[in-house]
Amino acid sequence: DAGVIQSPRHEVTEMGQEVTLRCKPISGHDYLFWYRQTMMRGLELLIYFNNNVPIDDSGMPEDRFSAKMPNASFSTLKIQPSEPRDSAVYFCATYGGFYNEQFFGPGTRLTVL
Amino acid sequence: QKEVEQNSGPLSVPEGAIASLNCTYSDRGSQSFFWYRQYSGKSPELIMFIYSNGDKEDGRFTAQLNKASQYVSLLIRDSQPSDSATYLCAGNAGGTSYGKLTFGQGTILTVHP
Repeated sequence: DAGVIQSPRHEVTEMGQEVTLRCKPISGHDYLFWYRQTMMRGLELLIYFNNNVPIDDSGMPEDRFSAKMPNASFSTLKIQPSEPRDSAVYFCATYGGFYNEQFFGPGTRLTVL
Repeated sequence: QKEVEQNSGPLSVPEGAIASLNCTYSDRGSQSFFWYRQYSGKSPELIMFIYSNGDKEDGRFTAQLNKASQYVSLLIRDSQPSDSATYLCAGNAGGTSYGKLTFGQGTILTVHP
């Protein structure tokens, strides 16, 4: 298995633009988590899904953020409109299968100018 | 108070020494604890997990858990320059069994030759 796949790896955009981050989980993992990491706030859980259903979105900072998981092999995190304070590394992680651990994707480094 | 707190560091140790990383948690429902290592520019990777009070050893790494004191630690023996990274402590939020984790801020470890 290729592990958790995220795209794009880097995104630079201007304030006000829409940003869409993508994640392909490990096959068979039924939990998917979206995190944001910054120097100031560390690693924060934004939202997580179980069997494609959003379970807890209490970490989503504002209505500008939305996430979907239309099927078991794809999830998106959208920011509209983006702001400079959204600049961070966004990680997707999945959980399930035999190993009791979350596997993280490589992350998307977002810069909003 | 953050739910998971780590000694802020940064921590610098000479090659061959023991590095000691500490973590306290406030959620008494947390039952499982994880140590992730994160190299600069990379995603977190699991190195140890512990469920029971006491020590758990894996190679040069020893995790320690004291539920009465709500304290978790990671010892790295014979530290190597390749151990230089940020170490993240995490607990399963509310004792959940499906991988929802609360992360500490991380401790930066530098092992100098």
